[in-house]
Amino acid sequence: ILNVEQSPQSLHVQEGDSTNFTCSFPSSNFYALHWYRWETAKSPEALFVMTLNGDEKKKGRISATLNTKEGYSYLYIKGSQPEDSATYLCAFPYNFNKFYFGSGTKLNVKP
Amino acid sequence: DAGITQSPRHKVTETGTPVTLRCHQTENHRYMYWYRQDPGHGLRLIHYSYGVKDTDKGEVSDGYSVSRSKTEDFLLTLESATSSQTSVYFCAISPEALGVEGNQPQHFGDGTRLSIL
Repeated sequence: ILNVEQSPQSLHVQEGDSTNFTCSFPSSNFYALHWYRWETAKSPEALFVMTLNGDEKKKGRISATLNTKEGYSYLYIKGSQPEDSATYLCAFPYNFNKFYFGSGTKLNVKP
Repeated sequence: DAGITQSPRHKVTETGTPVTLRCHQTENHRYMYWYRQDPGHGLRLIHYSYGVKDTDKGEVSDGYSVSRSKTEDFLLTLESATSSQTSVYFCAISPEALGVEGNQPQHFGDGTRLSIL
């Protein structure tokens, strides 16, 4: 079992708030770190794949950073909207393209 | 959207019966995965395939077997279903990694809700 942890487990914010959450992972044997967005009653959708230490990726109001030396990635959402409500998962590839998923951060944005 | 279809979408069956779930892709991707989703656990890997007839176990493989006889199809079989296997099952696919292992995103099917009574 790999130590891939996400915090917090859940988050409740008001519309317009900015928020962030964390994925921690093993810093040894690092290949990549994935972020997925998972809306209720749908299937997970890829947000970012990050491979380089110091990487920063952005998609609209969502951005992510990566620190492979200390083993963590942050996901930021600027000016949260109700449609951002979802569970955000990180995934860590290991052992020839197997993936270990964190248990997710469930975000609820209140109008 | 990636061409990935899971069947059936819903199934209710009894303990002890065999169950087979099918994942079909039209993307010709190398890698195919079966996950289960349970409250508090996110997604857990059951088995994955890295090519035709090439499969490997994931973290929760006990009680499950898989087969991949064609690039496009990946079957998950519960030989004798138990109530603990009640779950939502997701299939995922991803293409060959480019240079760095694991650097291609996964694309997920719509899920199969399986209830074992």
